[in-house]
Amino acid sequence: KNQVEQSPQSLIILEGKNCTLQCNYTVSPFSNLRWYKQDTGRGPVSLTIMTFSENTKSNGRYTATLDADTKQSSLHITASQLSDSASYICVVRPTGGYNKLIFGAGTRLAVHP
Amino acid sequence: DAGVIQSPRHEVTEMGQEVTLRCKPISGHNSLFWYRQTMMRGLELLIYFNNNVPIDDSGMPEDRFSAKMPNASFSTLKIQPSEPRDSAVYFCASNVYLIGRGRNTEAFFGQGTRLTVV
Repeated sequence: KNQVEQSPQSLIILEGKNCTLQCNYTVSPFSNLRWYKQDTGRGPVSLTIMTFSENTKSNGRYTATLDADTKQSSLHITASQLSDSASYICVVRPTGGYNKLIFGAGTRLAVHP
Repeated sequence: DAGVIQSPRHEVTEMGQEVTLRCKPISGHNSLFWYRQTMMRGLELLIYFNNNVPIDDSGMPEDRFSAKMPNASFSTLKIQPSEPRDSAVYFCASNVYLIGRGRNTEAFFGQGTRLTVV
């Protein structure tokens, strides 16, 4: 079983609409949780990083939330733009003396005009 | 800084041939990762170096895969012999790992090498 599960697998929305992507994880204990955006043909780029003690982190129209009790995180995109079309990947870093990142499979978002 | 630089961007090779992928991490970063990404399996960690030393290569699929980091500014991932199932996008990433504090910084990814083995 994957330690980081994302839903939905894919999503189509109209430009200007909001959407929320979900991430459930079993990694415990963990040091931080990250959301990455990956445009087609490019490497992932970090959007937000939250430590286990943070509940929310914003980056422009992107807002990430974290509930460490239920082991859930969400990424909310406000007023979507065509350029938001990409894969969004949830990544968890376990606690410990090891520089390791555990990746979810990602949610593929398509924003249509 | 130019970021993590990978070469080549695209590689098409015949089955059985040797393939070498190259990566230049961001200057000052002490950790380097090689990942493989496919539609079926997403991003998979192949191997991780810290201060040029391989720390965990448990993700390397077979003995056909090998990775080296001869110095802090260069790493290679070699596949010999290559097989069609090796076709994927291979990413290199780097960050700073503060060993004494058990903390790491954001990982920056290269543009990837799209490998096609026919």
